Amino acid sequence: GENVEQHPSTLSVQEGDSAVIKCTYSDSASNYFPWYKQELGKGPQLIIDIRSNVGEKKDQRIAVTLNKTAKHFSLHITETQPEDSAVYFCAALTSYGNNRLAFGKGNQVVVIP
Amino acid sequence: DVKVTQSSRYLVKRTGEKVFLECVQDMDHENMFWYRQDPGLGLRLIYFSYDVKMKEKGDIPEGYSVSREKKERFSLILESASTNQTSMYLCASSLGTFGTEAFFGQGTRLTVV
Repeated sequence: GENVEQHPSTLSVQEGDSAVIKCTYSDSASNYFPWYKQELGKGPQLIIDIRSNVGEKKDQRIAVTLNKTAKHFSLHITETQPEDSAVYFCAALTSYGNNRLAFGKGNQVVVIP
Repeated sequence: DVKVTQSSRYLVKRTGEKVFLECVQDMDHENMFWYRQDPGLGLRLIYFSYDVKMKEKGDIPEGYSVSREKKERFSLILESASTNQTSMYLCASSLGTFGTEAFFGQGTRLTVV
């Protein structure tokens, strides 16, 4: 089935710096790639998504880029703030097994004040 | 504001008990999902439903069943709880097909003793 991997597993950044998390996927037919943010004690929250017909999408301080040839997509957070500290999950909509989202295992991002 | 509400934040049940986890969404979404979240394993799909009275197995359905009698409500049932079902359970609903643009509930942390 689809295999979604996230790197690095943990990322520490100084407040104000940028953070980049990369995800790779295996199903070349995948066409939808969301990013979720999960704060402690809460459910995942959709923060941005991208479809395969677009190479980049931005929403204020966050952006997602997609490289279909290399089968990877990345989350970019600029001007990081302490409230950006969370676990971030990427996912890919795969055609394996009746079309469903396959999630990565998550990245812990720590923003150091 | 969109809302997915899970009936309990924390539950403690005994081995062998029948357990009901309830989820309600107020967005009139047709698609609803139950995931299980475990450290190091990410989110794994248990069951999903694309319509009332309709259900499909996810990746790890063994030991679980579901019920969708009304569009807004999706219940997860542990027929006979076991200790290896101790986990965080997350419900989601989506506007798009197959889980695109999905919104998650806050999660239910279930402990089976």
